[in-house]
Amino acid sequence: DAKTTQPPSMDCAEGRAANLPCNHSTISGNEYVYWYRQIHSQGPQYIIHGLKNNETNEMASLIITEDRKSSTLILPHATLRDTAVYYCIVRVGNNNDMRFGAGTRLTVKP
Amino acid sequence: DADVTQTPRNRITKTGKRIMLECSQTKGHDRMYWYRQDPGLGLRLIYYSFDVKDINKGEISDGYSVSRQAQAKFSLSLESAIPNQTALYFCATSDHSGANVLTFGAGSRLTVL
Repeated sequence: DAKTTQPPSMDCAEGRAANLPCNHSTISGNEYVYWYRQIHSQGPQYIIHGLKNNETNEMASLIITEDRKSSTLILPHATLRDTAVYYCIVRVGNNNDMRFGAGTRLTVKP
Repeated sequence: DADVTQTPRNRITKTGKRIMLECSQTKGHDRMYWYRQDPGLGLRLIYYSFDVKDINKGEISDGYSVSRQAQAKFSLSLESAIPNQTALYFCATSDHSGANVLTFGAGSRLTVL
């Protein structure tokens, strides 16, 4: 599976959009981009995933560049409860395992 | 009740003791996983199982063993615990669909003295 690169930390003001970048320049054509988050030491929580097209659900939007070498997770109106570590993972959809890197620690400030 | 239940949630033990962490799920998923997380780091895969008769090693399987007793149950054992196995352990499940989204348990915090 392709590797991902994320900034170690980011801040965002409460009520503003949080834009979390992820670089996956070695992604192959059949690999999906997944986002999870982990609040404190709880089990990671699935947020969203996509292959080529931009995706949106009740939690977030995922914007994937046309060349698929990078993506951005958007939390449209960040709240204090969105403070967490966000993991970007690239993998073949039905492949054997999901590997988590260090992620981005997002701090939402009042 | 939680979809993925881990027991115990916290455990303190001594070096050399045998420890079993248990995971059960009500999702009806066929795939189950054990991950380990050390402070400030991401999750690392220990073992995974795609069905009852399928067990696979992950990144860091040395010092661990697993048992898939049923579709809903997947146990992780430390035959002789050592201090560097002190960590937060997560069980996860997924189905075999294309999305393969993981559902995690709440975690088991293990301290080996």
